[in-house]
Amino acid sequence: KAGVTQTPRYLIKTRGQQVTLSCSPISGHRSVSWYQQTPGQGLQFLFEYFSETQRNKGNFPGRFSGRQFSNSRSEMNVSTLELGDSALYLCASSPELHSRSGNTIYFGEGSWLTVV
Amino acid sequence: KNQVEQSPQSLIILEGKNCTLQCNYTVSPFSNLRWYKQDTGRGPVSLTIMTFSENTKSNGRYTATLDADTKQSSLHITASQLSDSASYICVVSQRRNNDMRFGAGTRLTVKP
Repeated sequence: KAGVTQTPRYLIKTRGQQVTLSCSPISGHRSVSWYQQTPGQGLQFLFEYFSETQRNKGNFPGRFSGRQFSNSRSEMNVSTLELGDSALYLCASSPELHSRSGNTIYFGEGSWLTVV
Repeated sequence: KNQVEQSPQSLIILEGKNCTLQCNYTVSPFSNLRWYKQDTGRGPVSLTIMTFSENTKSNGRYTATLDADTKQSSLHITASQLSDSASYICVVSQRRNNDMRFGAGTRLTVKP
């Protein structure tokens, strides 16, 4: 069974631009969550979607947004990019809400974003 | 403040040796604790998930322990292999709002 698929794998953007990242969860998984990983801050939770609704949100500015489609696929968008947004953006899926006890969360390989 | 602290920050061991990684947390009320292994440039892979009532959980050569009273967890790796070289991340979830807190990770290097 295919794992979590993220596209694109690598991308370079210029300050001020916006970017959209895509995530296809494991078939049958209804929860998709997004994370930012940087050398300085480590892994940080962005938000989680379940049944097309945002269920949890981390402490990130409104420039970071996301959505989930009826087929559970998800996209995240970052507007007005800043140099500090350069990071590995990870998507994860699970059958139910990711933080619910006992649920294994499966991560994709991530999208490497470089802002110049 | 809900925090997750991991130690050591980095560790170098010889192939075949055992090692133990530590995770201390202040997240409350506690829901569950997860250990992940992350190879460089790859997404994290789940090793174990433990809830309040679980003290020990194993996954092959990986054994995680949890002491919910002292809010400490450890990940013990037995008979290390070169492929164990990775970052190990501890993640603690809060029961009230499902908030997840991540540790900074321990970078393990296994040398031949």
